[in-house]
Amino acid sequence: EPEVTQTPSHQVTQMGQEVILRCVPISNHLYFYWYRQILGQKVEFLVSFYNNEISEKSEIFDDQFSVERPDGSNFTLKIRSTKLEDSAMYFCASRADQYYEQYFGPGTRLTVT
Amino acid sequence: GDSVTQMEGPVTLSEEAFLTINCTYTATGYPSLFWYVQYPGEGLQLLLKATKADDKGSNKGFEATYRKETTSFHLEKGSVQVSDSAVYFCALARNTGGFKTIFGAGTRLFVKA
Repeated sequence: EPEVTQTPSHQVTQMGQEVILRCVPISNHLYFYWYRQILGQKVEFLVSFYNNEISEKSEIFDDQFSVERPDGSNFTLKIRSTKLEDSAMYFCASRADQYYEQYFGPGTRLTVT
Repeated sequence: GDSVTQMEGPVTLSEEAFLTINCTYTATGYPSLFWYVQYPGEGLQLLLKATKADDKGSNKGFEATYRKETTSFHLEKGSVQVSDSAVYFCALARNTGGFKTIFGAGTRLFVKA
């Protein structure tokens, strides 16, 4: 069964450093998403991406964040200058179209020290 | 804006007990509704879904019915097992815009042998 994959599974970085979280969505899907979950809290929407552009973003997704689909298979989330409060589990998701559910990846745990 | 409210946990039950986790939503239009499960240290797994009013989603003994009149999507299981111990998230997906998923806060379930 096709699945969304994410790398790395765990990333440790120092405050102020840039990080790139990588995702490979399911191959025929058209909509791509990033969510985050701070430890013990709810899953929060960050951004949705369709047709090579951002279709919606949350208040969390400020100028420190960016997304890219550089090569037609990968979907990346970049945090330009990490802060302690960026420590969270980041989930990538994809969906085929608006009539189908999202499929989530296993997540990348980001720890900012 | 759209939102999901679910009962606070943790919920502690003995094996073979009946489970109900309440979930209500606020949304414009006609969202799709989901229950996701997160086992310790793992990602989000879709448990069941319902895409229109009066639909019943079911999987692995869990059920939930999309009730438009009460804007609810309560999760039930007739006989829980220790292996059902996890965090359960109620969620809705809007059928407009970027089709993002909005999650409830999650309910932690502990099942004792």
